[in-house]
Amino acid sequence: QVQLVQSGAEVKKPGSSVKVSCEASGGPLNKYTFNWVRQAPGQGLEWMGRMIPILSVANYAPRIQDRCTLTADTSTNTVYMELTNLKSDDTAVYYCLGLTEDLVPLDWGQGSLVTVSS
Amino acid sequence: DIQMTQSPSSLSASVGDKVTLTCRASQGVSYYLAWFQQKPGKAPKTLIYGASTLRSGVPSRFSGRGSGTDFTLTISNLQPEDFAVYYCQQYHSYPQSFGQGTKVEI
Repeated sequence: QVQLVQSGAEVKKPGSSVKVSCEASGGPLNKYTFNWVRQAPGQGLEWMGRMIPILSVANYAPRIQDRCTLTADTSTNTVYMELTNLKSDDTAVYYCLGLTEDLVPLDWGQGSLVTVSS
Repeated sequence: DIQMTQSPSSLSASVGDKVTLTCRASQGVSYYLAWFQQKPGKAPKTLIYGASTLRSGVPSRFSGRGSGTDFTLTISNLQPEDFAVYYCQQYHSYPQSFGQGTKVEI
C-alpha cells in the first residue's frame, strides 16, 4: 500500500508553468515507481509519464515530452510533475499513481485540478 | 504505439446482472493489463492487474481474463456501487496507454 497526497488546485495563464506534487507515505520513495495521468474535463485518462525515483529515470508520452519533467525528492518522499508552456487544452485533473517496482498499480492520489485560462 | 479499444462504450444493466467488458490491444501486451474503476468526481481505483489478479480489498465479483490482445472484465451480481466508468490500461511498453472507457449505468 502507498498513500498519495497531491497538491491543491491551480489556475495558470497560457504560456506559464505548473508544478504538481505527490507526497507518498507507506514506505520509502525508492520502493515505488510513479505514473502521472491526466483527465481533461469529460474525457478519459491519458498517460503522461513514469518516474523511477531509485534510478532518477523518467519516460514520457511523446505528445508532451518536450514540456513535461518528472522529478523526485527522496528526502521528502515527494514526486513532482512540471508542465511548461501551458495551453488551454492542458486544463485537466492530474493524478499520480503509485506502482511497485514490477509495475503493479497500487493507489492513486486524489487528483490536482489545473486550469489554464487567460 | 499501442492503441487500446474498449467495447462497448456504454452499457445499461440492472442490479444483480452479470456484465462483461472487453478491451483489445492493437499489439500483444502479454498479461500487462490493468483495469480501473472511476466514479464521478473521484480518482480512479485499481481493480485488477496482470490481466487477472484482483487488487487486495476488491470484491470477488470482479474478475479479469485474457492475454496478448484480448481481455475481459466481468462483474457478476452487479451492485449499486459498481455503476461507474471502467478503463483498461496496458503497461507492457512505452508509451503506456488507456482505453477510452466503458460506462456502466442503470
